Amino acid sequence: NAGVMQNPRHLVRRRGQEARLRCSPMKGHSHVYWYRQLPEEGLKFMVYLQKENIIDESGMPKERFSAKFPKEGPSILRIQQVVRGDSAAYFCASSAADTQYFGPGTRLTVL
Amino acid sequence: AQRVTQPEKLLSVFKGAPVELKCNYSYSGSPELFWYVQYSRQRLQLLLRHISRESIKGFTADLNKGETSFHLKKPFAQEEDSAMYYCALSPISSGSARQLTFGSGTQLTVLP
Repeated sequence: NAGVMQNPRHLVRRRGQEARLRCSPMKGHSHVYWYRQLPEEGLKFMVYLQKENIIDESGMPKERFSAKFPKEGPSILRIQQVVRGDSAAYFCASSAADTQYFGPGTRLTVL
Repeated sequence: AQRVTQPEKLLSVFKGAPVELKCNYSYSGSPELFWYVQYSRQRLQLLLRHISRESIKGFTADLNKGETSFHLKKPFAQEEDSAMYYCALSPISSGSARQLTFGSGTQLTVLP
């Protein structure tokens, strides 16, 4: 089992561009979580998805951010019109039940 | 709302010395507590959870509901224990939402 995969590992965008972050959960896992880590801080929950459903998006910013987990393919975290404050490490985790397994993260840098 | 506090950003101990990483939480309901560890250049991984009441790599942690703490302890630190440690909380509920609330982490360095 390859574990949770995230790509790209590093992403550079200019202000106003779009960022798409991908997460492939572990085989057999149907729950996906996205977290954001700002410098010098812990991970902050953003959204929890199951296949084709958003279960809890209480941690998502109200604008520019969206997430999906389609029936086929990876989960996508989409950030439109990025700003410098979006620069962070974005982690995805997946679970079959309770324990969450984390991916290596995507480090987004907004110039 | 829940909150997890790790008061020490950095902690250094000598090899063979005891180590304790502090974690305090606030949550009005019944929490489940975890310790996650991130070794250099590796992904975040679960170290232990209070429900399991197990010892992993010599580490233990006891949930103290009176003091709302979940400190991580090891009697004899090893150099390979050097890593970033995160304490995390999840509400115990029958619902499907299992988001984790993380502390800001403690960087442990074990000196030779």
